[in-house]
Amino acid sequence: DTGVSQDPRHKITKRGQNVTFRCDPISEHNRLYWYRQTLGQGPEFLTYFQNEAQLEKSRLLSDRFSAERPKGSFSTLEIQRTEQGDSAMYLCASSLSDGELFFGEGSRLTVL
Amino acid sequence: GEDVEQSLFLSVREGDSSVINCTYTDSSSTYLYWYKQEPGAGLQLLTYIFSNMDMKQDQRLTVLLNKKDKHLSLRIADTQTGDSAIYFCADTILTGGGNKLTFGTGTQLKVEL
Repeated sequence: DTGVSQDPRHKITKRGQNVTFRCDPISEHNRLYWYRQTLGQGPEFLTYFQNEAQLEKSRLLSDRFSAERPKGSFSTLEIQRTEQGDSAMYLCASSLSDGELFFGEGSRLTVL
Repeated sequence: GEDVEQSLFLSVREGDSSVINCTYTDSSSTYLYWYKQEPGAGLQLLTYIFSNMDMKQDQRLTVLLNKKDKHLSLRIADTQTGDSAIYFCADTILTGGGNKLTFGTGTQLKVEL
């Protein structure tokens, strides 16, 4: 399968713990996006990378969130000191420049 | 800020046409998209329309854009049970700053036999 893959698919954690999600984009795609989707809502933009450079961050991305794409390929999204309000589906997408975004199946976070 | 709105639910009988509506606020939108999300799955791009077009047809899908009223619709002809899903409209403004989509809240389409 050469689509966007995300890992883990589901993470359950206790409040205050750190979690990390990984996204592997389609191999030739230079742009990678992170979105967050809460229950009953549409996805909301968090941040995006062009190659290894993080070019924009939403105000939704608090200081507890950090994203990296060290070699311009896979990306990680880390949430420190998780709160119950962080419970959501974290979606990754990749694209070739301004082309179509291809989404992964998402990583669902449940914070107890 | 930018806002995209949709009705929450739509129920249709199999074989009928479905029309899902969306309104958006940003007149600078460059592209408008329709995505489909099935339970436990990611988002699948169904179709899109460039803002200087008013209609696009793709097999069973017809997209209508009224730029004056900032209204977008998706018509699905001959709706099937496999079309049951959540449908999101989204817009974007391409300014060289990434293809950042603003999504609506989604319309849950239920297709009944």
